[in-house]
Amino acid sequence: GQNIDQPTEMTATEGAIVQINCTYQTSGFNGLFWYQQHAGEAPTFLSYNVLDGLEEKGRFSSFLSRSKGYSYPLLKELQMKDSASYLCAVLDSNYQLIWGAGTKLIIKP
Amino acid sequence: IAGITQAPTSQILAAGRRMTLRCTQDMRHNAMYWYRQDLGLGLRLIHYSNTAGTTGKGEVPDGYSVSRANTDDFPLTLASAVPSQTSVYFCASSDSGTGNGYTFGSGTRLTVV
Repeated sequence: GQNIDQPTEMTATEGAIVQINCTYQTSGFNGLFWYQQHAGEAPTFLSYNVLDGLEEKGRFSSFLSRSKGYSYPLLKELQMKDSASYLCAVLDSNYQLIWGAGTKLIIKP
Repeated sequence: IAGITQAPTSQILAAGRRMTLRCTQDMRHNAMYWYRQDLGLGLRLIHYSNTAGTTGKGEVPDGYSVSRANTDDFPLTLASAVPSQTSVYFCASSDSGTGNGYTFGSGTRLTVV
């Protein structure tokens, strides 16, 4: 079966760095996405990784290891507005997105 | 402004009634999707369409039907609503087979009583 695991909830402090882990087991792999979803809103695209390694984009980086079936986004200099759910999704061999349940990130002052 | 429009934003529906959720995109994306999102369960795919004229079943298709008469529109119909269909429904679209990700509509909050 296909499975994506991420922690249900995490807490971090404003100004700090946080890493949200995602492990996956899917039928085929055509890339991994991270989405951000604020409460009551639609998910919005954050990143796409298809090759191993770290991709940096300002305060936000995303890492992928295909051999380990593992990814994480790295959020630096956390701001209160970063409080949201972070959704991990894998594009499988049929180019369908398989979604994790999401990690609720709580930022404290 | 390019994007996806969903209607209605929210709806309270009596059990047994028929309801169609509307979804329209103006990005000329070939693929469209309907998801439901329930607390603790994440996004679950109901139905999808890879191109106009074709549709497919997702993870939780029972009780729902879709049609894709043209590229822009992808309505979702609940033939006879039940309380377990209370959820937030998101429509999304993508250029299938690319890494551009999905663009989501703003969602429809449906309560079946």
